[in-house]
Amino acid sequence: DTAVSQTPKYLVTQMGNDKSIKCEQNLGHDTMYWYKQDSKKFLKIMFSYNNKELIINETVPNRFSPKSPDKAHLNLHINSLELGDSAVYFCASSRGENVRETQYFGPGTRLLVL
Amino acid sequence: RKEVEQDPGPFNVPEGATVAFNCTYSNSASQSFFWYRQDCRKEPKLLMSVYSSGNEDGRFTAQLNRASQYISLLIRDSKLSDSATYLCVVKLSYNTDKLIFGTGTRLQVFP
Repeated sequence: DTAVSQTPKYLVTQMGNDKSIKCEQNLGHDTMYWYKQDSKKFLKIMFSYNNKELIINETVPNRFSPKSPDKAHLNLHINSLELGDSAVYFCASSRGENVRETQYFGPGTRLLVL
Repeated sequence: RKEVEQDPGPFNVPEGATVAFNCTYSNSASQSFFWYRQDCRKEPKLLMSVYSSGNEDGRFTAQLNRASQYISLLIRDSKLSDSATYLCVVKLSYNTDKLIFGTGTRLQVFP
């Protein structure tokens, strides 16, 4: 049973297109996250939701819009894709209650913008 | 200055060797510390939390020096399966779930 799942695993698209990545967790966690890992392997948080409420919103272009229909799902919609958006996007979740609580990551979505 | 700094490596070591990775963090208010492991083309996974008193999990030992803002990971008796990138991770406060990742140190264990 996959704890944190993402679809699609791979996404190849043209500049200017709009695309969505879906994330689901079956761990019963309250908090979900989106991270971006660029070509230099630097992993950086983009957004965090707790019980469907936006908690963390890093300096991310407005073209990126997260949506949480319920606490088990956090989707990422990207408008007007740019070359620089090419990266691996990881979804993660945690209970979010304890400072030592770990985050569980999904397998990642590899986005390539041509 | 990066919030979490690591030597990117790669560290190339033979099986059975002992290898140590270091990490420094810039924010003295940081509260929690972790080592994550990331295999090639996979997601990061928690290896171990790092406690002030230092902690050990099998062949892995983590140390924290708050005065120097320095974290270390020691791997004894390296195995081929230890080959991966090791990410130093810091959480700033009790009121946030935000993790700050270092860029990782790559380890390659050879036969």
